[in-house]
Amino acid sequence: KNQVEQSPQSLIILEGKNCTLQCNYTVSPFSNLRWYKQDTGRGPVSLTIMTFSENTKSNGRYTATLDADTKQSSLHITASQLSDSASYICVVSANGNTPLVFGKGTRLSVIA
Amino acid sequence: NAGVMQNPRHLVRRRGQEARLRCSPMKGHSHVYWYRQLPEEGLKFMVYLQKENIIDESGMPKERFSAEFPKEGPSILRIQQVVRGDSAAYFCASSPDRVAEAFFGQGTRLTVV
Repeated sequence: KNQVEQSPQSLIILEGKNCTLQCNYTVSPFSNLRWYKQDTGRGPVSLTIMTFSENTKSNGRYTATLDADTKQSSLHITASQLSDSASYICVVSANGNTPLVFGKGTRLSVIA
Repeated sequence: NAGVMQNPRHLVRRRGQEARLRCSPMKGHSHVYWYRQLPEEGLKFMVYLQKENIIDESGMPKERFSAEFPKEGPSILRIQQVVRGDSAAYFCASSPDRVAEAFFGQGTRLTVV
């Protein structure tokens, strides 16, 4: 069964600190992996998208890594800001007609 | 190029009424996905459409729910005879093809009273 598991479920960090969110998946055959940021009450917004051959991709203070062998991805946030408080969702796409498979997200709270 | 547009943003219906949720994909996007999100939970896949065709509806309840994406006009998610358990945020996403990045709308928050 295609699944995406994220950890931790929630995280609280101080402003200015770094953090890393984890994503493990069992989706097959793998096409690409995406990280989205979802602010409360808003639609998800794409941060990064990585294909099988990409190990890392950055978007400002966000850096995503992908290990296709172990089927793991991480999202590293550097020098966190209060505006980083949101849910971060890992989404994996498979080849064929299988739809995008969503993780349940990690809820990040950045406090002053 | 406007983003994915969903309307209405908020919808209140009494039990037993019908709810119609609209999604206008980004220009040039022919693939549309609908998702439901309950409070404090993740996004759950409902249905995937590609212009006039339903590709995958495995996440959609067999009764009361239907979706369409006509040749002209927005995609419509229709919920008949709504019940309290249908209260949720419904998100639509579109993409130009199946593997490209999907862009999300701001969602429609349905409240059934």
